[in-house]
Amino acid sequence: QKEVEQDPGPLSVPEGAIVSLNCTYSNSAFQYFMWYRQYSRKGPELLMYTYSSGNKEDGRFTAQVDKSSKYISLFIRDSQPSDSATYLCAMSRGGNQGGKLIFGQGTELSVKP
Amino acid sequence: DAGITQSPRHKVTETGTPVTLRCHQTENHRYMYWYRQDPGHGLRLIHYSYGVKDTDKGEVSDGYSVSRSKTEDFLLTLESATSSQTSVYFCAISEAGQPQHFGDGTRLSIL
Repeated sequence: QKEVEQDPGPLSVPEGAIVSLNCTYSNSAFQYFMWYRQYSRKGPELLMYTYSSGNKEDGRFTAQVDKSSKYISLFIRDSQPSDSATYLCAMSRGGNQGGKLIFGQGTELSVKP
Repeated sequence: DAGITQSPRHKVTETGTPVTLRCHQTENHRYMYWYRQDPGHGLRLIHYSYGVKDTDKGEVSDGYSVSRSKTEDFLLTLESATSSQTSVYFCAISEAGQPQHFGDGTRLSIL
């Protein structure tokens, strides 16, 4: 069983929809949680970075962490065609090693005009 | 842009040949990482460095070695490339307690 599970999709939504992306994990030692966006043939780009449980909002994006359920989510409001990309969740234990990341396998999102 | 340059961006080579990939950063960050990305697996850590000449293994280190002789450069070497090492390789950098930022990758094909 993988430490981090993410539905690979693909997920297709109409423009303006609310998108929900999710990851579950098994290791309760994870403390830092990230969402990356990756366009085709590009490197992952950091979208959201949170520590421990709670919510964080940045523009149209909201990240939620529920450590009791070992579940993280990314919500995208008013989705745009430019949001079409692969979204990767990642997490780490933190500490002195700079945080070795464990990634989900990514969810491919397509936003149709 | 995080100031990370990976070279080459694309490479095709034959089984059994040595291959070296380079990651160069202009951010003076302490930590550098090499990942590979394969369908169905997401990104997996190969090796990382926490300072000049300080490196350690990641999840999928077999068949790979790394070197870091100066802060800005982190080299990944495949001593004798195999077809299973065909992948997209990403370099990342970070400071302690900060999130990682990634380069745009090297596409490596081993025939």
